[in-house]
Amino acid sequence: AQKVTQAQTEISVVEKEDVTLDCVYETRDTTYYLFWYKQPPSGELVFLIRRNSFDEQNEISGRYSWNFQKSTSSFNFTITASQVVDSAVYFCALTNYGGATNKLIFGTGTLLAVQP
Amino acid sequence: DTAVSQTPKYLVTQMGNDKSIKCEQNLGHDTMYWYKQDSKKFLKIMFSYNNKELIINETVPNRFSPKSPDKAHLNLHINSLELGDSAVYFCASSQGLDFPKETQYFGPGTRLLVL
Repeated sequence: AQKVTQAQTEISVVEKEDVTLDCVYETRDTTYYLFWYKQPPSGELVFLIRRNSFDEQNEISGRYSWNFQKSTSSFNFTITASQVVDSAVYFCALTNYGGATNKLIFGTGTLLAVQP
Repeated sequence: DTAVSQTPKYLVTQMGNDKSIKCEQNLGHDTMYWYKQDSKKFLKIMFSYNNKELIINETVPNRFSPKSPDKAHLNLHINSLELGDSAVYFCASSQGLDFPKETQYFGPGTRLLVL
């Protein structure tokens, strides 16, 4: 069965600190895709990144970076020099490959609170 | 310019009533979805439609009936509302050409409160 675990329920940091959100996944598929979404206090779900299982290169986008490690089934998300606007719930998600099943399996989310 | 829109944004209703939530996307996508987010923020898929055809039904009670009049719209009708239906309902869409790797884009959510 597929599963996504975000063990950190809540994280609180002070502005300008770096913070890493953990994501561990389980799947039997050899080809799969991983995603991160952000849900700010306003409630919408904002797509951040997609990564396929064959690409283990780390990705950086501004203050955001993602570390994908197949050996540990992890896809962690780091925010450098956090800002108050980063305060949100962050979800890691997984899809499987093949057929008509294209659902996203979400983790339970990590609430990040960035204090000024 | 909103890519995926939902109406209404808030819905407060009494137990036993029937209500509908509408979703529209202007991205030209072929596949649309409904997800439910419960009070603990857990997100779970309910339905998926591709080209107006139902392809995922995740053991949702049959009081919930999705309807897709065309590729750009996927509405959710709920009969005989129960307290446990209180949640945020998200509509999403994706291109519908290469499923596993497609990014799903979400609407703003509809906050349903059943009293």
